Amino acid sequence: AQSVSQHNHHVILSEAASLELGCNYSYGGTVNLFWYVQYPGQHLQLLLKYFSGDPLVKGIKGFEAEFIKSKFSFNLRKPSVQWSDTAEYFCAVNQAAGNKLTFGGGTRVLVKP
Amino acid sequence: EAGVVQSPRYKIIEKKQPVAFWCNPISGHNTLYWYRQNLGQGPELLIRYENEEAVDDSQLPKDRFSAERLKGVDSTLKIQPAELGDSAVYLCASSLRQGQPQHFGDGTRLSIL
Repeated sequence: AQSVSQHNHHVILSEAASLELGCNYSYGGTVNLFWYVQYPGQHLQLLLKYFSGDPLVKGIKGFEAEFIKSKFSFNLRKPSVQWSDTAEYFCAVNQAAGNKLTFGGGTRVLVKP
Repeated sequence: EAGVVQSPRYKIIEKKQPVAFWCNPISGHNTLYWYRQNLGQGPELLIRYENEEAVDDSQLPKDRFSAERLKGVDSTLKIQPAELGDSAVYLCASSLRQGQPQHFGDGTRLSIL
């Protein structure tokens, strides 16, 4: 069965620090990849997505992610975080053939002002 | 555009009681999903609809859970009878069609006493 792993459950960092969240998946076929964010008290929102093409994907609010097929990874990065980036981040993978979206367990990010 | 609307936001019931959740997807979105999110975990798919047809209900505990999407628009998810382990956030999402990014509602937080 397909699985998605997010290595860090909690991350605490200061404003202006760089952020990188790891995501690995187990499925070997063609995949669509997503990062969702959930700000406190809000619903899940799409941060960025990868379907095909350039493996470096840019999303909203200065986030980017890199798809490395050989490593089955889709890590999320932001060079300089802000307090408003405090949220929970979810990686999700969709088998292109099966359409089942599988989420990782999420990473809670706390940015200290 | 209006987002995915769910109600109620919160529900507290005693075990063995029935409960129902309602979802109104984004207008024009053919695909509708129900997820369950346990504390500290990512969402897990319960059922997916393509218009009014349930095309993936393999993760739905059919002994106590049921869902319907009459007319291919609104959907309801029901639990009868509820058990203590059903305490979770129930999320509804919709997408234009399968494989496209999903838009999530605020969820219903269910607590079983």
